[in-house]
Amino acid sequence: GEQVEQRPPHLSVREGDSAVIICTYTDPNSYYFFWYKQEPGAGLQLLMKVFSSTEINEGQGFTVLLNKKDKQLSLNLTAAHPGDSAVYFCADRGSALGRLHFGAGTQLIVIP
Amino acid sequence: GPKVLQIPSHQIIDMGQMVTLNCDPVSNHLYFYWYKQILGQQMEFLVNFYNGKVMEKSKLFKDQFSVERPDGSYFTLKIQPTALEDSAVYFCASSFRLNQDTQYFGPGTRLLVL
Repeated sequence: GEQVEQRPPHLSVREGDSAVIICTYTDPNSYYFFWYKQEPGAGLQLLMKVFSSTEINEGQGFTVLLNKKDKQLSLNLTAAHPGDSAVYFCADRGSALGRLHFGAGTQLIVIP
Repeated sequence: GPKVLQIPSHQIIDMGQMVTLNCDPVSNHLYFYWYKQILGQQMEFLVNFYNGKVMEKSKLFKDQFSVERPDGSYFTLKIQPTALEDSAVYFCASSFRLNQDTQYFGPGTRLLVL
């Protein structure tokens, strides 16, 4: 079945630095990708939904890049601030009916 | 954004007992999902549900698991009887449509089976 590998599992950066989280997926038919942010005690908050046809996706303070050739999806926080501290999950929707395949998550800590 | 609620937030029960996890999905959503996350591991799909029926389930959705949404009330996951390996955080999600839509997640129910 589909596998999604996410790295790194933990990431500490200083405020103002960039942070990059990468997911590698296996299903070549994956056509939707998602980044979620989870703060303590809260549900998963959608950061961005990415279609397989769009390689560069700009959000507020971050960019999501999709490299279909290498089957990689990355979340790039350009200037991290303490409010970005959370666990980030990538997920993809492949050919399966509705189910999301999640990465293992990245605990991001932004040090003031 | 749209909110999914889950009740209770935490539940501790003895092995062999029954437990029901409740999910209050986004009001106009039609598709409902349960995911399971064991501590330190990936979140994994359990089941999705539409129009009163299970559409798809994973191998983690054991015979002791059942889901229902009677008369548009809570979407529930029942485990009967529980086992030690059922200890996990269970996340509910809902979406309006299936193929293109975002799934909105609740905060999870932390279940501990002793």
